[in-house]
Amino acid sequence: GAVVSQHPSRVICKSGTSVKIECRSLDFQATTMFWYRQFPKQSLMLMATSNEGSKATYEQGVEKDKFLINHASLTLSTLTVTSAHPEDSSFYICSARGTGARYGYTFGSGTRLTVV
Amino acid sequence: TQLLEQSPQFLSIQEGENLTVYCNSSSVFSSLQWYRQEPGEGPVLLVTVVTGGEVKKLKRLTFQFGDARKDSSLHITAAQPGDTGLYLCAGVSRGSTLGRLYFGRGTQLTVWP
Repeated sequence: GAVVSQHPSRVICKSGTSVKIECRSLDFQATTMFWYRQFPKQSLMLMATSNEGSKATYEQGVEKDKFLINHASLTLSTLTVTSAHPEDSSFYICSARGTGARYGYTFGSGTRLTVV
Repeated sequence: TQLLEQSPQFLSIQEGENLTVYCNSSSVFSSLQWYRQEPGEGPVLLVTVVTGGEVKKLKRLTFQFGDARKDSSLHITAAQPGDTGLYLCAGVSRGSTLGRLYFGRGTQLTVWP
């Protein structure tokens, strides 16, 4: 089945630094990738949608300059949290959708970001 | 505004009981998915329903898609402690060009032995 690898699974960084999270589709080409943020015991909140080779589409209220998304190839998308602050601490999850008659969205295992 | 209203938000039951989780919307969806998520992990797809009125069964789980494709339900028969987790419904809005997946708020299910 379709597999999406996301790493790191956990990262702790100092306030003011930047953190990059990678999301790779291992056995299919992901034309579209989605980035979500999730707070404890809550649902997933879509941050942005990216299509390979084009700029990401950000949801309202999500700072483009703070959460940089790059989807340079059909198998890799990255989310960079720039100048991280403690309030950016959260669980970040990516999801990928392939081409063809695919209804499912394959999710990564998530990244727990803690900013200290 | 939540496009998909999921209820209940929390459910705490004893092993062996039955339960139903609802997902409702005023919008039509081209497909609707149900996911289960464990703490610290990504959601895992349980089922996708596409056709209005469709019913799918996965062992003790029964999923139904409303005739108008605006609502769905998940019914668990004889719940077990292993069913504990966060259940999420998510749908692709009809006509969506980006294929955005809208999530409900989730139902945190706890099954006690």
